[in-house]
Amino acid sequence: ETGVTQSPTHLIKTRGQQVTLRCSSQSGHNTVSWYQQALGQGPQFIFQYYREEENGRGNFPPRFSGLQFPNYSSELNVNALELDDSALYLCASSSTLAGEQFFGPGTRLTVL
Amino acid sequence: GIQVEQSPPDLILQEGANSTLRCNFSDSVNNLQWFHQNPWGQLINLFYIPSGTKQNGRLSATTVATERYSLLYISSSQTTDSGVYFCAVIFGNEKLTFGTGTRLTIIP
Repeated sequence: ETGVTQSPTHLIKTRGQQVTLRCSSQSGHNTVSWYQQALGQGPQFIFQYYREEENGRGNFPPRFSGLQFPNYSSELNVNALELDDSALYLCASSSTLAGEQFFGPGTRLTVL
Repeated sequence: GIQVEQSPPDLILQEGANSTLRCNFSDSVNNLQWFHQNPWGQLINLFYIPSGTKQNGRLSATTVATERYSLLYISSSQTTDSGVYFCAVIFGNEKLTFGTGTRLTIIP
């Protein structure tokens, strides 16, 4: 059974650019959630996708957007990057909406 | 809003010691998980424990849902246990909300 995978591992962008992060959910999981973890803090919920529809959003601006595909993999897009977007971005999948979540290794984004 | 608090924030122990980490939450939960975040940022699932007691090797956890707290026990600590421990909860069908974390340092 393949776990949650994310790509890329690291990414460096400059302010104002756009970025796309990718996540493949664990086999059999139809729910994907994205989290942002700034240095020294706990992960903060960005949004969740369930069967290709957004199902809940945290306190993040609209320049954070996402997609879920028919195979339940997902993308996180961030437009107009700001310095404060520098963080570890974590993806998690689960088999039900409130079920146990399994996390990928994360993508570390640095915005210069 | 939903509150998830962990204590202590930092814990430094000698190898071989035992420890207890606490998580308090402000409402009834449908999901409670304990994670260990390693130095590379990977969140490793330790327990899925909305209620009751579970054990896995040197680790065990207890959640008393009616009193809104959970405890993570680590026995015979090893240096590889070092890292940050998070509890995270889901209320209803809402998002997973993480606690403030406990940074555990095990000294050889």
